[in-house]
Amino acid sequence: KQEVTQIPAALSVPEGENLVLNCSFTDSAIYNLQWFRQDPGKGLTSLLLIQSSQREQTSGRLNASLDKSSGRSTLYIAASQPGDSATYLCAVNPGGGADGLTFGKGTHLIIQP
Amino acid sequence: EPEVTQTPSHQVTQMGQEVILRCVPISNHLYFYWYRQILGQKVEFLVSFYNNEISEKSEIFDDQFSVERPDGSNFTLKIRSTKLEDSAMYFCASSGRNYGYTFGSGTRLTVV
Repeated sequence: KQEVTQIPAALSVPEGENLVLNCSFTDSAIYNLQWFRQDPGKGLTSLLLIQSSQREQTSGRLNASLDKSSGRSTLYIAASQPGDSATYLCAVNPGGGADGLTFGKGTHLIIQP
Repeated sequence: EPEVTQTPSHQVTQMGQEVILRCVPISNHLYFYWYRQILGQKVEFLVSFYNNEISEKSEIFDDQFSVERPDGSNFTLKIRSTKLEDSAMYFCASSGRNYGYTFGSGTRLTVV
């Protein structure tokens, strides 16, 4: 059974720092991996989608990498801002459309002004 | 940007009552899903739906749950006889050919 772990569980840093959020998964046979952002009491906003054949994806200040063989992904946030404060979730897709995503518990990020 | 729309945003129901949660997925997406998130816990998969039938379901999705696509746009989750432990945030999602998910903003279900 796929397990997804996110480290750290919580992180508080001053504005402007670059930071790395980690995600590991136990079964490397994945179709893709997706990073989401969740604000308190709200839905999930997709940040980056990495297909299993890709090594990384970038969107603005965000960069996500994937090392499928070692079961790891990282989300890099450059020049953090208070508006980046949220919970960041990593989810793996085992086989495409029908299979459900397996989520980690998330990293709760606070950016201090 | 296309959105997944969910209604209502919050529903309070009495234990034992039936509830229907509604979703409008992205129109050209192929797969539709329901997930739930109990307060403070992980987001959990409930069911996937493709070509007007269930594709996969988790252990959580027992006989008290059902899904339906009653017309060309809506996708519903029905809970027949709600229990206190059904209180959670329920998310609808859809995915297209790249199997990247778009989630709705959720329905917070409170069973009293």
